Amino acid sequence: QVQLHQSGPGLVRPSQTLSLTCAISGDRVSSDRTAWNWIRQSPSRGLEWLGRTYYRSRWHSEYADSVKSRITISADTSENQFSLHLNSMTPDDAAVYYCARDLPREPAAGIHNCFDSWGQGTLVTVSS
Amino acid sequence: EVVLTQSPATLSLSPGDRATLSCRASQSLSNYLAWYQQKPGQAPRLLIYDTSNRATGIPARFSGSGSGTDYTLTISSLEPEDFAVYYCQQRSNWPLTFGPGTKVNIK
Repeated sequence: QVQLHQSGPGLVRPSQTLSLTCAISGDRVSSDRTAWNWIRQSPSRGLEWLGRTYYRSRWHSEYADSVKSRITISADTSENQFSLHLNSMTPDDAAVYYCARDLPREPAAGIHNCFDSWGQGTLVTVSS
Repeated sequence: EVVLTQSPATLSLSPGDRATLSCRASQSLSNYLAWYQQKPGQAPRLLIYDTSNRATGIPARFSGSGSGTDYTLTISSLEPEDFAVYYCQQRSNWPLTFGPGTKVNIK
């Protein structure tokens, strides 16, 4: 059974970079049957998909337009984890951030785009 | 962007009642709709994907239906652990979007 465990600071200063890591057990970050996502939730924005990384012969990363200029999601196969970096943080970025696994399916079927396993969430506050 | 509207915003029911939750999309989703349950302090939990497929371990009292722009999550007989917030999510069009949620609380 897959488990995702998030780590990283809950307080970020305005204009600084948020860095979170999601450690995977029970699956491989390099699996070709799934993708690894970051999603956030706030009272003002609701649930918002931020981006993902996945491996299909090579690494791919895709991002939501709303954060595309500020976000990087990458994988670390040696540690079996993936990370989120979101720079130029503002109070509007305050939210609970979740990592999530895409529902696995055969590679030829493509990414499912719904999320069957989630991390525990990290409450991120943006304040000086 | 596909906008999802969920109704009602709040549903007050008793254990044993039948719950019917609605999700309406701003354009056709071709059945690419999922439902999640979220309890306070927890991450969302996938219940249903592609309109009517129950995720692994989800009890049979949860069912989904719909087509086009209108989708429904039905809980046939509410158990105490079912009182939570329910979200729909579409994967038909980019970007992926979620609805604002329906809270099912105890009457």
